[in-house]
Amino acid sequence: GAVVSQHPSRVICKSGTSVKIECRSLDFQATTMFWYRQFPKQSLMLMATSNEGSKATYEQGVEKDKFLINHASLTLSTLTVTSAHPEDSSFYICSAREPGSSTEAFFGQGTRLTVV
Amino acid sequence: QQQVKQSPQSLIVQKGGISIINCAYENTAFDYFPWYQQFPGKGPALLIAIRPDVSEKKEGRFTISFNKSAKQFSLHIMDSQPGDSATYFCAASLRGSNYKLTFGKGTLLTVNP
Repeated sequence: GAVVSQHPSRVICKSGTSVKIECRSLDFQATTMFWYRQFPKQSLMLMATSNEGSKATYEQGVEKDKFLINHASLTLSTLTVTSAHPEDSSFYICSAREPGSSTEAFFGQGTRLTVV
Repeated sequence: QQQVKQSPQSLIVQKGGISIINCAYENTAFDYFPWYQQFPGKGPALLIAIRPDVSEKKEGRFTISFNKSAKQFSLHIMDSQPGDSATYFCAASLRGSNYKLTFGKGTLLTVNP
């Protein structure tokens, strides 16, 4: 299947700083990417849908000014957690869907964010 | 409102046994039902998926059974192995939402040797 690469896999940052997470589709062009957040032993919660060349669509309750999403190219979407706080510590996962007939979403390996 | 309900929350099975995880959905517009497997610290990986025009799909040891009238679908893992120990998520999506996935809460499967 297609490969989605997420970077970094782990990051520790100080409270008040910003952190950028990258999501790349390595062997296909992804017009749509999704960003999820997962707390320990819980399910994936969709944060936003990222569309190439346009503004992201955020789910209800997700602060768009705190979680900045940029989908500048067909192979790269970034999530920036601004002014991070300890409660933002979580596992962030992106996924991408290959346009066309396939409905399969390919997931990145996730990024473990710890805010200290 | 939880649109996809998954049970059980955890499951312990002996090696060689059958693991069964169930999901129920509410939105009849859903038209794609995948199952994902997730190991600790990793992203989910697609295991098997089904569309509502099919009642069953089998891939190796994994089978999805789908009951459209009951709005339920289940994952059966035959001959369960310790390597199958992971968290399993059912999900549902619809074409009109850009195939945005709605996940169940997950089932932690432990297969004892």
